[in-house]
Amino acid sequence: DTGVSQDPRHKITKRGQNVTFRCDPISEHNRLYWYRQTLGQGPEFLTYFQNEAQLEKSRLLSDRFSAERPKGSFSTLEIQRTEQGDSAMYLCASSPLQVGEQFFGPGTRLTVL
Amino acid sequence: AQTVTQSQPEMSVQEAETVTLSCTYDTSESNYYLFWYKQPPSRQMILVIRQEAYKQQNATENRFSVNFQKAAKSFSLKISDSQLGDTAMYFCAFMGYNTDKLIFGTGTRLQVFP
Repeated sequence: DTGVSQDPRHKITKRGQNVTFRCDPISEHNRLYWYRQTLGQGPEFLTYFQNEAQLEKSRLLSDRFSAERPKGSFSTLEIQRTEQGDSAMYLCASSPLQVGEQFFGPGTRLTVL
Repeated sequence: AQTVTQSQPEMSVQEAETVTLSCTYDTSESNYYLFWYKQPPSRQMILVIRQEAYKQQNATENRFSVNFQKAAKSFSLKISDSQLGDTAMYFCAFMGYNTDKLIFGTGTRLQVFP
């Protein structure tokens, strides 16, 4: 069990640029989640997948955000036209079944200048 | 909408002592799940303990135990025999019965001193 991995761990970008993050869940987990954590706050839910199907999206996920999990394995989160308010830690988690423990990755820290 | 409140931004405790972290939540659901997650400095979040709302018995995991008061919508975490490795942010989280998303509180930063 290698755990949930995320890439990159850190990303610095200029306002207006597009960024893409990748999450590799634990291999047998069919549920994958994205959360966003800003400084001094708890993680906020963004979206989740069961296999390749995106089952729920938060209203936090504006039209500049898109997430995919094309083959039911890894997932990508893309932010278009980044804004300074997008600066945060983006966390990915996976779980093997509904209401199972969610296993978190180390996160991708995004800084938008 | 469900909310989770952690009213203690920071706590400190001496090694080997006991500390209790508070959490309250608001929901209209009768069935749900509650969690405590630990986030050590610069490390990933891990589950400490979980409680199903339909279970009256408080969950226990080694030195960690909860005091679940359903009527009061309170879910506190007790850490016994505190260790230096317990230093971390602790987040209380709620999950509804028919959903899969976690709703987190703002966290309590716990510092364990030698």
